[in-house]
Order: sequence, then structure tokens, then C-alpha cells
Amino acid sequence: GEDVEQSLFLSVREGDSSVINCTYTDSSSTYLYWYKQEPGAGLQLLTYIFSNMDMKQDQRLTVLLNKKDKHLSLRIADTQTGDSAIYFCAESENYGGSQGNLIFGKGTKLSVKP
Amino acid sequence: DGGITQSPKYLFRKEGQNVTLSCEQNLNHDAMYWYRQDPGQGLRLIYYSQIVNDFQKGDIAEGYSVSREKKESFPLTVTSAQKNPTAFYLCASTAPGRANQPQHFGDGTRLSIL
Repeated sequence: GEDVEQSLFLSVREGDSSVINCTYTDSSSTYLYWYKQEPGAGLQLLTYIFSNMDMKQDQRLTVLLNKKDKHLSLRIADTQTGDSAIYFCAESENYGGSQGNLIFGKGTKLSVKP
Repeated sequence: DGGITQSPKYLFRKEGQNVTLSCEQNLNHDAMYWYRQDPGQGLRLIYYSQIVNDFQKGDIAEGYSVSREKKESFPLTVTSAQKNPTAFYLCASTAPGRANQPQHFGDGTRLSIL
């Protein structure tokens, strides 16, 4: 079945760039997503990218998609302490009646040191 | 403001007891979802509903039940058959009519055993 893999931890210094990586298995996924979860809260959609795009930029966030390698990354420029959270990568299911269901990675915990 | 409301924020269950988690949305979304989150496990799909009066089992439905009598509401019951119910439960919904719309999440309910 489909699977989404992420490294579990990332630590950076305030002001540096953070790059969170994700690999997925379903080559038919149309959309790929990045969510942010702060402690004790739900998931907040950060950004998403269509599979026919290579890159999407939104202020400090840059998403890169390598469809050939099934690799997705999220770059956060000028990382701040408020960016400390768990970041989830997700791909969409694309079969039968499950269209719209998401497969989530286990999340990458980003720690930002002052 | 439109959004998804989960209640209660914290819930305690006694041995042999059924408990019900509430999820209400005013986003006019057709599809709603329940996830379970355990530390280091990411999100696992319990049940989902694409339309009123219809719902489907997800990956870990055993010990849970749902109903979808109204478009706005998708309550989850954790039954006594669920032997390890301690977790963070997240409800989500997606926009109608278009595949692969981003899922919007509530703030979650943390369930613990007394």
C-alpha cells in the first residue's frame, strides 16, 4: 500500500534555513501537502502542491517536488522559534471511493534553538 | 468564522464505558474524517464519511463507531471493545465537489483512561 516516510527529528538554529524531507510511494498522487502541528493542537495546512508542479513558493516556505524520485521537501527560510512544531507530509489517495483520503507521514519534529 | 469544533478538549474513560467525541463543522463540507494520533505514529484513519448517512471504515476501525445523520456533525464513539483508547483524536473535513481538497482539522480531543 501507499506509504509516506519522513525523518523524525530536525534541529536548527534561529535564522538558519530548515529543510524537511519526505518520500512517498503512490505515483498517482495528484496533490501533496504539508501540515504543521503545534503542541496540543490540531493540524494546520501550510501549503500544498499539484503533482504537475516542481516548485511552489509562499513567503518563507518553498516546496520542491521531484516526481521521478517521489521526493518532496519543505524549506523554511529564516527559521524562527515560533516555527518549532511537528511537520507532516501527506499524499492523497487516488483509487475507488477513497478519493480525497490522505496518507500521512509520522511527522518531523522541528526544534529551533535561539 | 467557519471551522471545525471538537469537544471536549479532554475526556476520561472508565473501564467498560463507552464515550462519545463530538465533531461539528460549519464549512459546508461533505466529507468528514476521524484520525487517531499516538506519539511517533503519525495519524491513522479510523472512519470517514463522504456524504450524509454513509460512512466507511478506515485502517483502525475496530472498537469505534460513528454516525452521520447531519452534514455538520460526525460523532465518534469509543466503545469498551477498544482496549487501548488513550490517544489524541482529530476530526477533519474537506470541501464538496472537488477531489483532493485540503483537509481542515479541529483542535483535537485527548482521551485518557481513569
